[in-house]
Amino acid sequence: GENVEQHPSTLSVQEGDSAVIKCTYSDSASNYFPWYKQELGKRPQLIIDIRSNVGEKKDQRIAVTLNKTAKHFSLHITETQPEDSAVYFCAASPTGGGNKLTFGTGTQLKVEL
Amino acid sequence: SAVISQKPSRDICQRGTSLTIQCQVDSQVTMMFWYRQQPGQSLTLIATANQGSEATYESGFVIDKFPISRPNLTFSTLTVSNMSPEDSSIYLCSVVAGGNTEAFFGQGTRLTVV
Repeated sequence: GENVEQHPSTLSVQEGDSAVIKCTYSDSASNYFPWYKQELGKRPQLIIDIRSNVGEKKDQRIAVTLNKTAKHFSLHITETQPEDSAVYFCAASPTGGGNKLTFGTGTQLKVEL
Repeated sequence: SAVISQKPSRDICQRGTSLTIQCQVDSQVTMMFWYRQQPGQSLTLIATANQGSEATYESGFVIDKFPISRPNLTFSTLTVSNMSPEDSSIYLCSVVAGGNTEAFFGQGTRLTVV
């Protein structure tokens, strides 16, 4: 089955700096890669996703890049703000979305003032 | 986006008992899943809830321990049976509305077994 590794497990940045979280996956059949943000005590919420036919996708301060050859994808957050502090999970799915997700281990991001 | 109501939001249960968690969606969805999130950990898929048939379980999860029902396209239940303290966790319902759309999560059920 699919295995998703995520690094780092914790990340501390200064407000206004950029944050990068990296994930690798094992199953070459995976072609849908969402990123979820989970605030303490709340449900995971999708912040951005990318499909295998695209190498990069951007939504305001958030971007995701995908390298299918190397089987890795990354989340980039620019101009970080305190409200970006949360746990971020990457995930992979073997279909183009709509199927079960294998999650990474999570990254605790802390944005310090 | 789908609106998901998951009940109960939390419960404290005695070991050896069972708890049934409900997941109700405000619209028909294609896929429904149940995940477990142990304290401070990631999400692990328990099973896919199939409408009108037996759920599809992931490795390490069995029907006797986690029976699942899905009688229609908007409702599913997960039962945690014969509970032990190791079952203390957050259980999350997840739905996908179509074949190519994002997965939404319920607010979760925080279960503590004493």
